[in-house]
Amino acid sequence: AQKVTQAQTEISVVEKEDVTLDCVYETRDTTYYLFWYKQPPSGELVFLIRRNSFDEQNEISGRYSWNFQKSTSSFNFTITASQVVDSAVYFCALSEATGGFKTIFGAGTRLFVKA
Amino acid sequence: DTAVSQTPKYLVTQMGNDKSIKCEQNLGHDTMYWYKQDSKKFLKIMFSYNNKELIINETVPNRFSPKSPDKAHLNLHINSLELGDSAVYFCASSQELSRGGYTFGSGTRLTVV
Repeated sequence: AQKVTQAQTEISVVEKEDVTLDCVYETRDTTYYLFWYKQPPSGELVFLIRRNSFDEQNEISGRYSWNFQKSTSSFNFTITASQVVDSAVYFCALSEATGGFKTIFGAGTRLFVKA
Repeated sequence: DTAVSQTPKYLVTQMGNDKSIKCEQNLGHDTMYWYKQDSKKFLKIMFSYNNKELIINETVPNRFSPKSPDKAHLNLHINSLELGDSAVYFCASSQELSRGGYTFGSGTRLTVV
């Protein structure tokens, strides 16, 4: 059965600090996809990144970077030089081939960035 | 030119009523979904349609019935509303069945009183 664990319920940092959001997943499939989404206080859900299970290359997009490690079943998200606008709930999600690629979400990590 | 639009944005209704939430996407995506987000922000899939065909039907009370007249629309009808149905309901679409990133609608906040 698939499972996504975001152990950090809330994180609070001061602006310009770096912060890493952890995501650990469980799956028996060899083919699966991992995602991160952002939900700012306004409530919309914004897609950030997708990774497939065959691509362990880390990715950087501006201040955002993602570290995918199959050996530890983790897909962590780092924000460098955090800004107040990064304050949001961040969700990690997993979609696996078994069950028709149903996507399940972790419980989310609420990030507070203080000025 | 909203990509995924849901109406209404807010819905306040009494227990026992029947209500519908509409969703439309103009992205040309093949797959559409309904998710429920509870008060603790937990997101749970309810339904998934691919080219108007029901693909995923989670353990959802049969008071909830999705309808997809075409691949650009996926509406959600709820009968006999209960207090526990209060939540934010998100519609989403993706190009590939759950392999592509979702584009979400802005959500419908349903409050049952």
